[in-house]
Parts: sequence; C-alpha cells; structure tokens
Amino acid sequence: DAGITQSPRHKVTETGTPVTLRCHQTENHRYMYWYRQDPGHGLRLIHYSYGVKDTDKGEVSDGYSVSRSKTEDFLLTLESATSSQTSVYFCATRGADRGETQYFGPGTRLLVL
Amino acid sequence: GENVEQHPSTLSVQEGDSAVIKCTYSDSASNYFPWYKQELGKGPQLIIDIRSNVGEKKDQRIAVTLNKTAKHFSLHITETQPEDSAVYFCAASYGGSQGNLIFGKGTKLSVKP
Repeated sequence: DAGITQSPRHKVTETGTPVTLRCHQTENHRYMYWYRQDPGHGLRLIHYSYGVKDTDKGEVSDGYSVSRSKTEDFLLTLESATSSQTSVYFCATRGADRGETQYFGPGTRLLVL
Repeated sequence: GENVEQHPSTLSVQEGDSAVIKCTYSDSASNYFPWYKQELGKGPQLIIDIRSNVGEKKDQRIAVTLNKTAKHFSLHITETQPEDSAVYFCAASYGGSQGNLIFGKGTKLSVKP
C-alpha cells in the first residue's frame, strides 16, 4: 500500500457543474496519474504529472484538467461535467527510484446525472 | 498507437485447477509488464511484474512469462483458490522514462469451490 487516498470516494453531480477530485499521497512519489475505468475499456490514462507543476495529457484528456502545486496532491477537475464522464476514477503514483511500478488508490465513483 | 490485447475476457475454473491469461502488445519499445489484481470495489493491486531482460518470473503460485519476439506475455496461476476470484489486468510500458502504462481490458476470473 503506497499511502494513497482519494476524496471524495463517491460523488453524484449534475450535468454542467464543475467537479474536483483529489488524490493525496504520503510516499513522496514523483509521478502521479489519473485514470478512468469503464466497463469494456479497462483503465485509460487521463493526465499525469512528473513533478510539481509538471503535467501532461494522456489518452482521454478532453474535458479534464489537472493541477499539482505540491508533491503530495494531484487534483483532477471536470470543468463542466457530462454524463459521459460518469466513471470510476483512480489515482496512481510511482516513485522515481522504484522503476516503473505504479500503485493505485481506492478510487472515486462519480455519477453525473 | 500503442495497444494491449488481453484474452480471455472471462475465465471460470474449478478450485485447484490452473488459470492462464494472455496479453499481446504493439510497442516494440515496451520493456516493463506488470499484472494487477482488482477485487470488487477496490483499486488495482500489483501482483507480479516482469522486465524485458527476463523471460520468466515466479512468486509462489503465480508466474509470468514473456516472449519479446512475439510480443506476448502471460499470467499463470496454479492451484487456484476461491480468493483468486477477481479481475486481472495486464499492462505494458510506453513513453520512455515517464513510465506510462497501457492496460488490457481485463479478465474476470471466477474460481468455483
């Protein structure tokens, strides 16, 4: 367990509202990732960070933004939520000294009505 | 783009039997191949991984094999137990030093007592 927490764990929101999900880690890992998980699609990378204030897009970044102002926190924002963003969101971290192993958080279940 | 295909999507075995899950990848530069187990309502957990300079790796009842020429890698679980029932994901690295992973779509393994 890499000391990763996600908040909130569950959220219901309405179409058009902004939503921010938080990932917090206590391992001082350099790399952090946001994935979404949908039936039939596995895990798909949304955005990732390779250091404070350093972020890049993943496979499915449209409609999402991220920020990382501290090593331990990585925020995922849905600027205007849509029903297609209903999903389970996972945060993952990776330490620079641990090779490529990624450790996952418990997930946030988001329902957009 | 990069792709990982995983088969089968569902697998049902009797307790004590072996289970094999197979993945193929497209990026010849991939050099790291982890396997994750995901139980219901939880985040994926790393169970075993292999790097491209190794052909096989074992950890108690689980083993992973890698054929770089054919771009295949497989997970083998022997003496299956009901607690092995979960969704299993394979992944392959891409994107160089950023350590990004692309995941297969998952295999739901059911072990019948």
